[in-house]
Amino acid sequence: GQNIDQPTEMTATEGAIVQINCTYQTSGFNGLFWYQQHAGEAPTFLSYNVLDGLEEKGRFSSFLSRSKGYSYLLLKELQMKDSASYLCAVRDFSGGYNKLIFGAGTRLAVHP
Amino acid sequence: GAGVSQSPSNKVTEKGKDVELRCDPISGHTALYWYRQSLGQGLEFLIYFQGNSAPDKSGLPSDRFSAERTGGSVSTLTIQRTQQEDSAVYLCASSQPKSSYEQYFGPGTRLTVT
Repeated sequence: GQNIDQPTEMTATEGAIVQINCTYQTSGFNGLFWYQQHAGEAPTFLSYNVLDGLEEKGRFSSFLSRSKGYSYLLLKELQMKDSASYLCAVRDFSGGYNKLIFGAGTRLAVHP
Repeated sequence: GAGVSQSPSNKVTEKGKDVELRCDPISGHTALYWYRQSLGQGLEFLIYFQGNSAPDKSGLPSDRFSAERTGGSVSTLTIQRTQQEDSAVYLCASSQPKSSYEQYFGPGTRLTVT
């Protein structure tokens, strides 16, 4: 089956660094996405990893280890507007379909 | 250009009634997805359309749920005999067919079953 785990909630201070972890189990791994979702809004794309290693994009970086079934999203120089839910999603290619399976999300609260 | 659009934005219906939710994907996106998100929860996959291939219906929670995609573009999600547990935000997303391409989400339809 498929299973994606990430912490339910995290808090951090403005200007700090926070790391949000995601572990997954899937039979047909074909890439991992991170999305940001502000309350009451649709998710928006942050990053994509399909090979092991770190992908950096501005203040956000995402890391993947396929052998460990593990990813993290790193947010640097936190701003108040970064308060949102962060969704880890695994693309699973099994049964002939290429669908995205989402974790429950991590609610991040950034405090002054 | 225009993003993914969904209608209606809000729908309140009585238990037992049928509802139809509409999604207009980004032009040229051959992949279309429906998700459901209950309050404070993650996204639950419902159904996936890719071009003219048979859809992946593995996420539909019961036979009261069905979806169509006409002409490879607009999609309609139909819920028959709605129940209170169907209350949620229904999100539609579209993407290019390659696996590396991200999904673009619509604003969602908030369904409330009374």
